[in-house]
Amino acid sequence: DAGVIQSPRHEVTEMGQEVTLRCKPISGHDYLFWYRQTMMRGLELLIYFNNNVPIDDSGMPEDRFSAKMPNASFSTLKIQPSEPRDSAVYFCASSLSISYEQYFGPGTRLTVT
Amino acid sequence: SQQGEEDPQALSIQEGENATMNCSYKTSINNLQWYRQNSGRGLVHLILIRSNEREKHSGRLRVTLDTSKKSSSLLITASRAADTASYFCATDAQGAQKLVFGQGTRLTINP
Repeated sequence: DAGVIQSPRHEVTEMGQEVTLRCKPISGHDYLFWYRQTMMRGLELLIYFNNNVPIDDSGMPEDRFSAKMPNASFSTLKIQPSEPRDSAVYFCASSLSISYEQYFGPGTRLTVT
Repeated sequence: SQQGEEDPQALSIQEGENATMNCSYKTSINNLQWYRQNSGRGLVHLILIRSNEREKHSGRLRVTLDTSKKSSSLLITASRAADTASYFCATDAQGAQKLVFGQGTRLTINP
């Protein structure tokens, strides 16, 4: 298996633009997680899905953020409109169970100017 | 505040020495995990220790768990330059239904 795949790896956009981050989890993993990592706040869980259903979105910063998982092999995290404070590295991870080890993708480094 | 907090925040040692990092947490857990993150990369799972286990080994890694003190330690023996990375503990708190990561320890191995 190729592991968790994320795209794009880098994204530079202007404030106000829409940003869409994509993730393909490891096949067979029932859980998918979106994290955000910054120097100031560390690694934060934004939202996670179980069998394509959002379970906990309490970490989503505000209404500008939304996430979907239309099928078992694809998820998106969308920010609209983007703001400079959204600049961070966004990770997607997947796992077999909520308590098992998580497999992280390489991350998307987002810069909003 | 974070469920898991690592100590120290940064550690710099000579190659060949042992490195010890600690993690403290606040509530009862189902398990505790350690991850490594190389610069510019995603986190990589190292080891998982369950609440009923006290010690676990994997190669040069040794993890201990003391549930009475709500703490864990990660020992890397005979460190190598390639061990330079940030190390995070993550706790699966009972009832939380998610992993919560600490802020990490930045380990530097000097050749």
